[in-house]
Amino acid sequence: EDQVTQSPEALRLQEGESSSLNCSYTVSGLRGLFWYRQDPGKGPEFLFTLYSAGEEKEKERLKATLTKKESFLHITAPKPEDSATYLCAVQALGIQGAQKLVFGQGTRLTINP
Amino acid sequence: GAVVSQHPSWVICKSGTSVKIECRSLDFQATTMFWYRQFPKQSLMLMATSNEGSKATYEQGVEKDKFLINHASLTLSTLTVTSAHPEDSSFYICSARVPGPNPYNEQFFGPGTRLTVL
Repeated sequence: EDQVTQSPEALRLQEGESSSLNCSYTVSGLRGLFWYRQDPGKGPEFLFTLYSAGEEKEKERLKATLTKKESFLHITAPKPEDSATYLCAVQALGIQGAQKLVFGQGTRLTINP
Repeated sequence: GAVVSQHPSWVICKSGTSVKIECRSLDFQATTMFWYRQFPKQSLMLMATSNEGSKATYEQGVEKDKFLINHASLTLSTLTVTSAHPEDSSFYICSARVPGPNPYNEQFFGPGTRLTVL
């Protein structure tokens, strides 16, 4: 069964304190790993797509990396506005071959000023 | 680009009534849209895949007769929660994938609809 596990569940950092979020996955044939940011009461906002091991993507203070078993979202010198829940999802095949995203539980990130 | 909207953003209804939620792709055509449900402090769970011009594909455990999906055009999919009950109260979110040569590119999500059934 396709599974995505994110850790930690919650993370509190001081402004400027860099860290990494982890996303471990088991999927039969990875067709894409996605990172999203979700603010309370809103829909997920797309951040990155990674397709193959060794791939890296960057955007402002965020950098996503991918191995054959996990992905990391590195956040460098975070600011309070980076506070959000970060979701990881893998592309899998669902019923009748339909494409579906399987989401992890998310990491609630809080950046204190 | 790749903007997805939902309407309404929130709705309160009485138990036993039906509620319709609209999902629109504003700047692209989407042959496939997806409907998710998210309970408080939980992640998104796919309910169904909505296909333009054909029947929706429902995930295991999702009642087809309770959650009616209609993908009437390339920019509009609707989810109707029929005979809603308090346990249907949740955050409903739709998404769409921008068509292109890559069938596995990212999905873009709407802002969500908060449904409260009294």
